[in-house]
Parts: sequence; C-alpha cells; structure tokens
Amino acid sequence: EIVLTQSPGTLSLSPGERATLSCRASQSVSSSFLAWYQQKPGQAPRLLMYGASSRATGIPDRFSGSGSGTDFTLTISRLESEDFAVYYCQRYGDSFPTFGQGTKVEIK
Amino acid sequence: EVQSLESGGGLVQPGGSLRFSCATSGFTFSSYGMSWVRQAPGKGLEWVSSISAGGDHIYYADSVKGRLTISRDNSKNTLYLQMNSLRAEDTAVYYCARIRYVGRWYWDYWVQGTLVTVSS
Repeated sequence: EIVLTQSPGTLSLSPGERATLSCRASQSVSSSFLAWYQQKPGQAPRLLMYGASSRATGIPDRFSGSGSGTDFTLTISRLESEDFAVYYCQRYGDSFPTFGQGTKVEIK
Repeated sequence: EVQSLESGGGLVQPGGSLRFSCATSGFTFSSYGMSWVRQAPGKGLEWVSSISAGGDHIYYADSVKGRLTISRDNSKNTLYLQMNSLRAEDTAVYYCARIRYVGRWYWDYWVQGTLVTVSS
C-alpha cells in the first residue's frame, strides 16, 4: 500500500507570504493520478489541482503544483485570507484512492 | 449549474443501519463514477467506496467492506450508501463526490456532507 505523507503538519504564515506544502509517497506514483484539495471548516473539500500540476476550474494562478515520482509540492505564491485552510494530497492507484493526512495553513 | 443534496444522516445505535442518498442535478449523472468519502470529527479524509457510471464496478475500503453498500439509480440521478452493523468508528461526515477519470483521476465536485453519529 502506498502511503502519502504530508509535511509540515501545520504551516503558520502571514498573508502575502509564500506557502510550500509537501506530499511524499512511499513509492513512486503517476503524476496523472495525484490531486490536491482545499478544505475550510464546515465545508466540503474543493479540488485545487489534478494531474499534479493542472489547476481546477476557477482556481487562481497563485496556486501551483509540481513534482513527480515520490515528491509533490503545492505552492501558494502569495497567501490571501481565504487561503487559510487544510490541504490534502490524494492519489489514485489499483482502483483505490488514498489521502495524505493534511497540512493546515494557519494565520501567524 | 451542478446541484446536489444529501439526506438521511443522523444518530444511530451501534449495530444499527442507516441509508442515505445524494441527489444530483445539473450534469449527466449516468456518465460519471461517484464516490463516498468520509471524515471523522477532527480527522482527515478517508475514501469509503466508489461506483462506476453504469454501476457495474464497485470498490470498497477494507474498513467498510461487508458492512456498507454503495448503489446508484441513474433514472433518479441519485447515489446511495447503505450502512449496516455500524460501529462508533463509522461516526463521520459523509461526502459524495463526482469522479473524473479521463487520463487523470480526481474528484471534481463534492457535495456538502451528511453527519452520521453512531452512539448509544
């Protein structure tokens, strides 16, 4: 079973700063099957990135994704107030999707 | 505009059963695979089950296999989850989500979840 490990667990930053979130897989995964989601309290998750680096519809270009193999990164170039949330990476393989444990981006 | 409504959650005793649904509109439901994903209070996301567009391929997480049954009625644009032999650890918000699988695989649309509480 491939495990996704996200780091850090919590990221404390100020608006305007750059956020770099990591998602590391225990084995190589196809970037085609790596996605990122944002979740705010009391809300359903929202798709941010798919195929590791493609932004979903309506996602601002301050969000970007990169990586391949075992290491993937979600970057928020300049944090805005609405970006403070929990972020999950997710991969699909062998008909089973799995999530990382999440990274919380909080206001410093 | 894609719209959906979940219904059927609530409080149930351990060992009990519950069935809830996710009614959709605004897209061709019969063209998409669908999933249930849950989130225990204060915890992360956990995939529960998926069903193909035609309902002929079904998958379950090991944690729910044999106790939960996913189904769909394409004539009613509705996804269902039948939960039996419920345990305290099944307490969670359950989300239904639409699968996109065209070269890449992801959930592109999520419905606001329904809370299931298993407690005596």
